[in-house]
Amino acid sequence: DIQMTQSPSSVSASVGDRVTITCRASQGISSWLAWYQQKPGKAPKLLIYAASSLQSGVPSRFSGSGSGTDFTLTISSLQPEDFATYYCQQANSFSLTFGGGTKVEIK
Amino acid sequence: QITLKESGPTLVKPTQTLTLTCTFSGFSLSTSGVGVGWIRQPPGKALEWLALIYWDDDKRYSPSLKSRLTITKDTSKNQVVLTMTNMDPVDTATYYCAHVDGYNGVYFQHWGQGTLVTVSS
Repeated sequence: DIQMTQSPSSVSASVGDRVTITCRASQGISSWLAWYQQKPGKAPKLLIYAASSLQSGVPSRFSGSGSGTDFTLTISSLQPEDFATYYCQQANSFSLTFGGGTKVEIK
Repeated sequence: QITLKESGPTLVKPTQTLTLTCTFSGFSLSTSGVGVGWIRQPPGKALEWLALIYWDDDKRYSPSLKSRLTITKDTSKNQVVLTMTNMDPVDTATYYCAHVDGYNGVYFQHWGQGTLVTVSS
């Protein structure tokens, strides 16, 4: 299995801050990576796919970058509705795997 | 509009078999590239992919759970069924089904609301 490691596991930030979350794959996955947002008690929501493509309807303050083993999700200006947990997911192999999650909390 | 909804027991006993049904609308599982997957999330923990079935009946399973899982589809009913044998308390989790359109990769574009399954005697 390809292991996905996210960092940090949690981050405290204020509204308007720029937030960056990192996801590292245990082996190269080209650009086969997605990012999801999950709020408490809700299903995850797809934000970014193919490492940098914005899912329809997702605000442009969300962006993704990276390829190979290192990827980042950036929120350019944190909004109140962005406080949530974020997960990466690799789609390079037939065995899909998620990262451990990064919780974005209010500072 | 694509919607998915999971259904099944909320409580199962250890060693029993869990059967979950995903009923969906807004897409067809006979359309090329389309798939439906199952993902679970233990309380307070991360997401874990379980299984995926494609329009052409190609099936994929998590290697760590493969021996316990079976995924099937009924295209005429717009349903996907997941069975998991030999349930254990560590399998307590919210189980989600999700839609994959397949064209851009295996990403879960639409999710059901999830169903919490508790394993306890």
